[in-house]
Amino acid sequence: DTAVSQTPKYLVTQMGNDKSIKCEQNLGHDTMYWYKQDSKKFLKIMFSYNNKELIINETVPNRFSPKSPDKAHLNLHINSLELGDSAVYFCASSQDDRFLAGADTQYFGPGTRLTVL
Amino acid sequence: GDSVTQMEGPVTLSEEAFLTINCTYTATGYPSLFWYVQYPGEGLQLLLKATKADDKGSNKGFEATYRKETTSFHLEKGSVQVSDSAVYFCALSDYGGATNKLIFGTGTLLAVQP
Repeated sequence: DTAVSQTPKYLVTQMGNDKSIKCEQNLGHDTMYWYKQDSKKFLKIMFSYNNKELIINETVPNRFSPKSPDKAHLNLHINSLELGDSAVYFCASSQDDRFLAGADTQYFGPGTRLTVL
Repeated sequence: GDSVTQMEGPVTLSEEAFLTINCTYTATGYPSLFWYVQYPGEGLQLLLKATKADDKGSNKGFEATYRKETTSFHLEKGSVQVSDSAVYFCALSDYGGATNKLIFGTGTLLAVQP
Protein backbone atom coordinates (compact mmCIF):
# COMPACT_ATOMS: atom_id res chain seq x y z
CA ASP A 1 0.00 0.00 0.00
CA THR A 2 2.90 2.34 -0.70
CA ALA A 3 1.57 5.84 -1.30
CA VAL A 4 4.47 7.18 -3.37
CA SER A 5 6.84 4.65 -4.90
CA GLN A 6 10.01 5.08 -6.89
CA THR A 7 12.11 2.69 -8.93
CA PRO A 8 14.89 1.91 -8.80
CA LYS A 9 16.03 2.49 -5.24
CA TYR A 10 19.68 2.49 -6.25
CA LEU A 11 21.18 3.37 -9.61
CA VAL A 12 24.89 3.15 -10.38
CA THR A 13 26.02 4.16 -13.85
CA GLN A 14 28.88 5.58 -15.87
CA MET A 15 29.31 9.18 -16.92
CA GLY A 16 27.69 9.92 -20.24
CA ASN A 17 24.94 7.32 -19.93
CA ASP A 18 21.20 8.03 -20.05
CA LYS A 19 18.97 6.79 -17.25
CA SER A 20 15.39 7.07 -16.03
CA ILE A 21 13.76 7.05 -12.62
CA LYS A 22 10.08 6.22 -12.29
CA CYS A 23 7.59 7.51 -9.77
CA GLU A 24 4.01 6.51 -9.09
CA GLN A 25 1.52 7.72 -6.52
CA ASN A 26 -1.74 6.02 -5.55
CA LEU A 27 -3.11 8.88 -3.47
CA GLY A 28 -5.20 10.40 -6.23
CA HIS A 29 -3.20 13.63 -6.00
CA ASP A 30 -3.12 16.21 -8.77
CA THR A 31 0.44 17.44 -8.35
CA MET A 32 3.77 15.64 -8.39
CA TYR A 33 7.29 16.89 -7.79
CA TRP A 34 10.93 15.95 -8.15
CA TYR A 35 13.44 17.08 -5.52
CA LYS A 36 17.19 16.58 -5.46
CA GLN A 37 19.08 15.93 -2.21
CA ASP A 38 22.81 16.50 -2.44
CA SER A 39 25.58 14.90 -0.42
CA LYS A 40 25.11 17.46 2.37
CA LYS A 41 21.44 16.53 2.65
CA PHE A 42 20.28 19.81 1.12
CA LEU A 43 16.93 19.42 -0.66
CA LYS A 44 15.90 21.51 -3.63
CA ILE A 45 12.93 21.31 -5.91
CA MET A 46 13.55 20.50 -9.56
CA PHE A 47 10.13 20.18 -11.20
CA SER A 48 6.47 20.00 -10.47
CA TYR A 49 3.58 18.83 -12.62
CA ASN A 50 -0.10 19.50 -12.08
CA ASN A 51 -2.44 17.17 -13.98
CA LYS A 52 0.31 16.27 -16.44
CA GLU A 53 1.21 19.91 -17.05
CA LEU A 54 4.66 21.28 -16.18
CA ILE A 55 4.30 24.02 -13.59
CA ILE A 56 7.73 24.47 -12.01
CA ASN A 57 11.12 24.10 -13.67
CA GLU A 58 13.78 25.37 -11.32
CA THR A 59 16.61 26.15 -13.75
CA VAL A 60 17.50 22.52 -14.05
CA PRO A 61 19.84 21.62 -16.94
CA ASN A 62 17.92 20.49 -19.98
CA ARG A 63 19.63 17.10 -19.70
CA PHE A 64 16.88 16.45 -17.17
CA SER A 65 13.49 15.83 -18.74
CA PRO A 66 10.45 14.97 -16.67
CA LYS A 67 7.58 13.12 -18.28
CA SER A 68 4.09 12.66 -16.91
CA PRO A 69 2.06 10.11 -18.88
CA ASP A 70 -0.85 10.53 -16.47
CA LYS A 71 -1.40 12.32 -13.20
CA ALA A 72 -0.37 9.27 -11.15
CA HIS A 73 3.08 9.02 -12.75
CA LEU A 74 6.02 11.38 -13.05
CA ASN A 75 9.22 9.96 -14.50
CA LEU A 76 12.61 11.63 -14.66
CA HIS A 77 14.91 11.00 -17.57
CA ILE A 78 18.51 12.17 -17.42
CA ASN A 79 20.73 12.36 -20.49
CA SER A 80 24.52 12.41 -20.59
CA LEU A 81 24.97 11.84 -16.88
CA GLU A 82 27.67 13.84 -15.10
CA LEU A 83 29.49 13.25 -11.83
CA GLY A 84 27.62 16.16 -10.27
CA ASP A 85 24.30 14.42 -10.88
CA SER A 86 25.12 11.97 -8.10
CA ALA A 87 22.48 12.57 -5.44
CA VAL A 88 19.30 11.17 -3.96
CA TYR A 89 16.24 12.05 -6.02
CA PHE A 90 12.88 12.21 -4.28
CA CYS A 91 9.49 12.17 -5.86
CA ALA A 92 6.57 13.72 -3.98
CA SER A 93 2.89 14.38 -4.49
CA SER A 94 0.20 16.62 -3.03
CA GLN A 95 -3.45 17.31 -3.53
CA ASP A 96 -2.88 21.02 -4.10
CA ASP A 97 -6.28 22.21 -3.18
CA ARG A 98 -6.20 25.84 -4.32
CA PHE A 99 -8.27 26.88 -1.33
CA LEU A 100 -5.50 25.73 0.97
CA ALA A 101 -2.99 27.89 -0.91
CA GLY A 102 0.16 26.04 -0.06
CA ALA A 103 -0.94 24.31 3.10
CA ASP A 104 -1.15 20.90 1.43
CA THR A 105 1.13 18.22 2.75
CA GLN A 106 3.56 16.77 0.27
CA TYR A 107 4.07 13.01 0.51
CA PHE A 108 7.52 11.77 -0.40
CA GLY A 109 8.73 8.57 -1.96
CA PRO A 110 11.64 6.58 -0.51
CA GLY A 111 14.19 8.15 -2.84
CA THR A 112 16.50 6.92 -5.58
CA ARG A 113 20.21 7.09 -4.87
CA LEU A 114 22.00 7.83 -8.14
CA THR A 115 25.74 7.32 -8.28
CA VAL A 116 27.60 8.40 -11.40
CA LEU A 117 31.09 6.94 -11.77
CA GLY B 1 13.46 35.00 -2.47
CA ASP B 2 11.98 32.92 0.30
CA SER B 3 14.41 31.01 2.49
CA VAL B 4 14.66 28.88 5.61
CA THR B 5 17.52 28.86 8.11
CA GLN B 6 17.86 26.15 10.70
CA MET B 7 20.49 25.39 13.26
CA GLU B 8 23.46 23.38 12.19
CA GLY B 9 23.92 19.95 13.60
CA PRO B 10 24.66 17.46 14.67
CA VAL B 11 22.71 17.75 17.88
CA THR B 12 23.64 15.01 20.34
CA LEU B 13 21.41 14.41 23.33
CA SER B 14 20.92 11.79 25.98
CA GLU B 15 17.61 9.96 26.15
CA GLU B 16 14.88 11.93 27.95
CA ALA B 17 16.63 15.26 27.34
CA PHE B 18 14.75 18.32 26.07
CA LEU B 19 15.10 19.10 22.39
CA THR B 20 14.98 22.41 20.56
CA ILE B 21 15.87 22.82 16.92
CA ASN B 22 15.71 26.42 15.80
CA CYS B 23 14.18 27.44 12.49
CA THR B 24 13.65 30.92 11.08
CA TYR B 25 12.28 31.89 7.72
CA THR B 26 12.13 34.74 5.23
CA ALA B 27 9.02 35.01 3.08
CA THR B 28 7.21 37.72 1.19
CA GLY B 29 3.74 36.28 1.70
CA TYR B 30 2.08 34.09 4.29
CA PRO B 31 3.60 30.67 3.90
CA SER B 32 2.66 27.47 5.62
CA LEU B 33 5.46 25.98 7.70
CA PHE B 34 6.43 22.35 8.03
CA TRP B 35 8.78 20.03 9.86
CA TYR B 36 9.75 16.89 7.99
CA VAL B 37 11.81 14.03 9.42
CA GLN B 38 14.11 11.69 7.52
CA TYR B 39 15.08 8.46 9.26
CA PRO B 40 18.25 6.74 8.07
CA GLY B 41 17.86 5.31 4.58
CA GLU B 42 14.29 6.50 4.22
CA GLY B 43 12.33 9.24 2.53
CA LEU B 44 10.88 12.32 4.20
CA GLN B 45 7.82 12.10 6.41
CA LEU B 46 5.73 15.02 7.54
CA LEU B 47 6.17 15.49 11.27
CA LEU B 48 3.92 18.52 11.80
CA LYS B 49 2.77 21.69 10.13
CA ALA B 50 1.17 25.07 10.84
CA THR B 51 -0.66 27.12 8.28
CA LYS B 52 -1.08 30.52 9.91
CA ALA B 53 0.39 32.74 12.59
CA ASP B 54 0.10 31.46 16.18
CA ASP B 55 -0.92 27.98 15.01
CA LYS B 56 0.79 25.18 16.90
CA GLY B 57 1.55 21.95 15.09
CA SER B 58 2.09 18.82 17.15
CA ASN B 59 2.73 15.13 16.58
CA LYS B 60 4.45 12.29 18.45
CA GLY B 61 5.37 14.60 21.32
CA PHE B 62 6.96 17.17 19.01
CA GLU B 63 5.52 20.65 18.69
CA ALA B 64 6.26 23.93 16.94
CA THR B 65 4.48 27.27 16.97
CA TYR B 66 4.24 29.59 13.95
CA ARG B 67 5.59 32.92 15.22
CA LYS B 68 5.09 35.64 12.65
CA GLU B 69 6.62 38.38 14.81
CA THR B 70 9.92 36.53 15.06
CA THR B 71 9.54 34.63 11.74
CA SER B 72 10.30 31.40 13.57
CA PHE B 73 9.02 27.83 13.79
CA HIS B 74 11.23 26.14 16.38
CA LEU B 75 10.81 22.41 16.94
CA GLU B 76 10.62 21.15 20.54
CA LYS B 77 10.17 17.88 22.35
CA GLY B 78 10.15 17.45 26.08
CA SER B 79 11.82 14.04 26.28
CA VAL B 80 13.62 12.53 23.31
CA GLN B 81 14.06 8.83 22.65
CA VAL B 82 16.74 6.91 20.79
CA SER B 83 14.15 6.27 18.08
CA ASP B 84 13.96 10.03 17.41
CA SER B 85 17.46 9.95 15.92
CA ALA B 86 17.03 11.30 12.39
CA VAL B 87 17.53 14.37 10.23
CA TYR B 88 14.92 17.08 10.77
CA PHE B 89 14.04 19.56 8.03
CA CYS B 90 12.19 22.82 8.46
CA ALA B 91 10.39 23.96 5.31
CA LEU B 92 8.00 26.58 4.05
CA SER B 93 5.59 26.37 1.17
CA ASP B 94 5.98 28.93 -1.57
CA TYR B 95 2.57 28.95 -3.20
CA GLY B 96 2.76 30.21 -6.76
CA GLY B 97 -0.94 30.23 -7.47
CA ALA B 98 -0.90 26.99 -9.42
CA THR B 99 1.10 24.73 -7.21
CA ASN B 100 3.31 25.02 -4.22
CA LYS B 101 6.93 24.13 -3.79
CA LEU B 102 8.68 23.44 -0.53
CA ILE B 103 11.76 25.43 0.38
CA PHE B 104 13.85 23.49 2.85
CA GLY B 105 16.39 24.38 5.45
CA THR B 106 19.69 22.52 5.45
CA GLY B 107 18.50 19.84 7.88
CA THR B 108 19.63 19.12 11.42
CA LEU B 109 20.95 15.71 12.38
CA LEU B 110 19.74 14.60 15.81
CA ALA B 111 21.55 11.75 17.54
CA VAL B 112 20.02 10.47 20.78
CA GLN B 113 22.20 8.30 22.97
CA PRO B 114 20.81 5.77 25.45
